[in-house]
Amino acid sequence: KAGVTQTPRYLIKTRGQQVTLSCSPISGHRSVSWYQQTPGQGLQFLFEYFSETQRNKGNFPGRFSGRQFSNSRSEMNVSTLELGDSALYLCASSPDDSILATEAFFGQGTRLTVV
Amino acid sequence: DAKTTQPPSMDCAEGRAANLPCNHSTISGNEYVYWYRQIHSQGPQYIIHGLKNNETNEMASLIITEDRKSSTLILPHATLRDTAVYYCIVRVRSGYSTLTFGKGTMLLVSP
Repeated sequence: KAGVTQTPRYLIKTRGQQVTLSCSPISGHRSVSWYQQTPGQGLQFLFEYFSETQRNKGNFPGRFSGRQFSNSRSEMNVSTLELGDSALYLCASSPDDSILATEAFFGQGTRLTVV
Repeated sequence: DAKTTQPPSMDCAEGRAANLPCNHSTISGNEYVYWYRQIHSQGPQYIIHGLKNNETNEMASLIITEDRKSSTLILPHATLRDTAVYYCIVRVRSGYSTLTFGKGTMLLVSP
């Protein structure tokens, strides 16, 4: 069974640009969550999608957005990039909203560098 | 979700047991204890979880005190590949899949 796949693995963008990151969850998983990891703030929750609906959101500005498609694949978008957005962006998938919901499986992440 | 407290770092000799503590004194009755680890430059990896009974799987054992205010993750025979940051997370086991990560414990396994 394939794991969580995130693309691209590495990305360099310029301040002011926008970026889209992609996450393909484990087959059959319907919940996808996104996290940002920086040396200063650690792992922080961005948002969670389940069946194409955002059902939880972290404390990030509106420049950070996401969506989930009918096949459970998810994308997150960051507009008007700032230097502080440089981070490792991690995607996690979970089976569904049953009792197994919090055993999350993480991808390798996308390393975003804003210059 | 209940707050957790972990030591920032620990050392362990290869082949010995690594015992990682976690305090969660404000844990509620319906909250579980989860452990994840993150090896450098990789995504976090689920290890084990429990409610009040001790749990064991192929990776580790989880010991939860009777009052549930603290727990210990045990890696019985640590290897160099167990060097990682270990996160203890306490939360209910339903609904949202959101995980709230603290700073974790950096475990360094040495030869």
